[in-house]
Amino acid sequence: AQKVTQAQTEISVVEKEDVTLDCVYETRDTTYYLFWYKQPPSGELVFLIRRNSFDEQNEISGRYSWNFQKSTSSFNFTITASQVVDSAVYFCALSEAPYAGGTSYGKLTFGQGTILTVHP
Amino acid sequence: DGGITQSPKYLFRKEGQNVTLSCEQNLNHDAMYWYRQDPGQGLRLIYYSQIVNDFQKGDIAEGYSVSREKKESFPLTVTSAQKNPTAFYLCASSIAPQITYEQYFGPGTRLTVT
Repeated sequence: AQKVTQAQTEISVVEKEDVTLDCVYETRDTTYYLFWYKQPPSGELVFLIRRNSFDEQNEISGRYSWNFQKSTSSFNFTITASQVVDSAVYFCALSEAPYAGGTSYGKLTFGQGTILTVHP
Repeated sequence: DGGITQSPKYLFRKEGQNVTLSCEQNLNHDAMYWYRQDPGQGLRLIYYSQIVNDFQKGDIAEGYSVSREKKESFPLTVTSAQKNPTAFYLCASSIAPQITYEQYFGPGTRLTVT
């Protein structure tokens, strides 16, 4: 069964520090997708990135970067030079096709989330 | 602007009453989803719909019902059979239901039942 673990429940940093959010996943499938979402205090989840299981290239988008390592089943997220506006709950999620039923629907499984607080 | 709207933002109900949460999207997405979020937990899937007039149970469907009569609308009814209905409910949509596509979320409805 698919599972996503975000071992860090809460992280607190001071502005301008770099911070890495860990994500470890379990899946039986060879084809799957990984996602990161941000949930600010307003509650709405904001999509940050999607990565498929065949693309292990790291990705950088501004102050955000993602490190995908299939060998360790990890998809970690780093914020460089953190800012107060980065304070939010961050969720890692995994989507894979089910084995039964013949549907192509991919069930999205979320980790528990990491609460990031950036202090000024 | 395209997006997903959920109303109301906060909802209060007495125990034993059914309540319907609204979800509308103008993104022309085929697939829609309902999730429940409890404090300190991730999101759990209640129901999903791949296309109009079709919907499937997710992991925690008991005590909930949905309908999908229009592409843009996917209302969720929390029935009196739901034992612990107080939670934050999030609606989402994606272009299609395949695993390739990311889901986009609405602002959520916080339901309190007393």
